Amino acid sequence: GENVGLHLPTLSVQEGDNSIINCAYSNSASDYFIWYKQESGKGPQFIIDIRSNMDKRQGQRVTVLLNKTVKHLSLQIAATQPGDSAVYFCAESDGNNRLAFGKGNQVVVIP
Amino acid sequence: EPEVTQTPSHQVTQMGQEVILHCVPISNHLYFYWYRQILGQKVEFLVSFYNNEISEKSEIFDDQFSVERPDGSNFTLKIRSTKLEDSAMYFCASSVRIREAFFGQGTRLTVV
Repeated sequence: GENVGLHLPTLSVQEGDNSIINCAYSNSASDYFIWYKQESGKGPQFIIDIRSNMDKRQGQRVTVLLNKTVKHLSLQIAATQPGDSAVYFCAESDGNNRLAFGKGNQVVVIP
Repeated sequence: EPEVTQTPSHQVTQMGQEVILHCVPISNHLYFYWYRQILGQKVEFLVSFYNNEISEKSEIFDDQFSVERPDGSNFTLKIRSTKLEDSAMYFCASSVRIREAFFGQGTRLTVV
């Protein structure tokens, strides 16, 4: 797939367990963050977003945590399922009309 | 569920040829984008488009690139004279509000 050669950090997780994916960002002016999921051969799929005036946001089976002090973002997936196997990207924006993507984390769910 | 549609899924072109990548954004969206992902690298921003004009572009988006919204529904990316290093997955995205972008499945461009 598109991410071959990136030598992505890989998280192997047992089906049913919770997953935590981490992302460090460098731009202290970033005020908006998104998590995307990318399956092989597909485009990035929006999962959840968070603005910098929040430190936590929950969706269906997912939670995003933002720590602006250390410029860290995490995505928690509850009760991980085989369909969650993918590459997960964080993306940030500092007020302009573009997203800056991180390198991605590969999640492998073991049935 | 509405989605961004891109065609073709795979385009092979000879170096120096012009190529046009096609996208149909989600119908009520106002902002349109092109991103690309070179094999083994990160997704990179190319250009954003709003109100029939480019609102922002990256340093990658040089004079070889252009975008157009010819008929109110399609959004195209043209590369005038393709180079080998233009080979990548090209993603179109659209959004209702700034930055909440929804992506298409991508067009794999191979320049030979």
